[in-house]
Parts: sequence; structure tokens; C-alpha cells
Amino acid sequence: GNSVTQMEGPVTLSEEAFLTINCTYTATGYPSLFWYVQYPGEGLQLLLKATKADDKGSNKGFEATYRKETTSFHLEKGSVQVSDSAVYFCASDNYGQNFVFGPGTRLSVLP
Amino acid sequence: DAGVTQSPTHLIKTRGQQVTLRCSPISGHKSVSWYQQVLGQGPQFIFQYYEKEERGRGNFPDRFSARQFPNYSSELNVNALLLGDSALYLCASSWAVTGNMNTEAFFGQGTRLTVV
Repeated sequence: GNSVTQMEGPVTLSEEAFLTINCTYTATGYPSLFWYVQYPGEGLQLLLKATKADDKGSNKGFEATYRKETTSFHLEKGSVQVSDSAVYFCASDNYGQNFVFGPGTRLSVLP
Repeated sequence: DAGVTQSPTHLIKTRGQQVTLRCSPISGHKSVSWYQQVLGQGPQFIFQYYEKEERGRGNFPDRFSARQFPNYSSELNVNALLLGDSALYLCASSWAVTGNMNTEAFFGQGTRLTVV
């Protein structure tokens, strides 16, 4: 079945630093790819998505590009803020199947 | 519009007991999925229901069951609770079956189940 691997955390950055969280997937088909964010005590919120190769998802300064050749969907942000502190989950979704989530990466941004 | 609502928010049960968790999807959404999130891990798929029919089941024992009602709300039941069932149980609502690339799922805040 599908699987998603993402870099283990925690990741600790200073405010305004550059963020990269790596994500790779394995799938038999061509899944849609997602990044979800989970703030403390809350459920998951969709951050961005991409549905086909070379698509770039973006939202709130975060970006991720669907790279079929490297089966990757790395999350990036040019300048993080304290309010970005959360757990980030990479996920894949094949037609007829459900979300498969990575283990999550906890990000802490220090002022 | 209200988002996905789950009840209760927190629950403490004893080993061997049974528990029922509830989820109300966003108005107009016909699909509900359930996920288990153990502390420090990503959510794991349990069930998906669409139009009151089961459309998918994850790798969970038969102690786990679910159903969807005519108003599209859903219940997740877990029998003979084990300590390892302690987790955050998330409900996701979507207008169609997830897996359709244009279908977005919206998650509730979850029910925190603690088994002692």
C-alpha cells in the first residue's frame, strides 16, 4: 500500500528562519499530496495540496511542489513566525483510497 | 456554517468497557471518515462511510465498528477497550469519497480517549 515518510522532528528554528520539512511517498498510482497542520489541542487543518506532478501548492507563505521523479513533496517557508509552531503532517491520497499520513514533524519557532 | 463537530471532547474509560464516539459532518457533506491518532504519531485510517455505506476499512480489529445515519452523522464504537486504544480519534467530513482528487476533507477537533 501507499506510505509517506517525513523528516523526524522536533525542528527548532528562530523567527524569520527558512523552513524545509522533507516528505517522500510511495504509491502504485499517482496520488494527490497534502500538507496538514495540527496546532496544540486541535484537529488537522489543510495547509496546501497538489493533485498532479509539477503542481505547486501554496498557502500562508508555505509552498510545496509535487516532484514525481523524486516522489517528494517537501514543505518550505521563507520566513517562519512564532505562530507557525505546530505539528506538520504530509499525506497522500490515491483514488478510491483514503489519506495515508506521515508520522508528523513538530516545529517550534523561537522569538 | 458549523464545522465538523465531535463529541465528547474527552473521555476516560476502563479496560474492557465499550465506548461510542459521535461525529456530525459539515452540512451538505455525505462522507465521514474516522482516524486514530496515537500520541506522537500520524493519524491512521479506521473507516470511511459514504451515503450510509461503508466504503473503506483500515487495519483495525473487529472490536472497532461504525455506522452512518440518514442525516450523515456517524458513530464509532469500540468494544472491549484496551490500554492501547488510548488515542485522539478524529472525524473527517467531505462531500464525496476521499480519494477523488478534488475532494477536500475537513477534520474535527477530535475526541481524546484515555483507557485506564
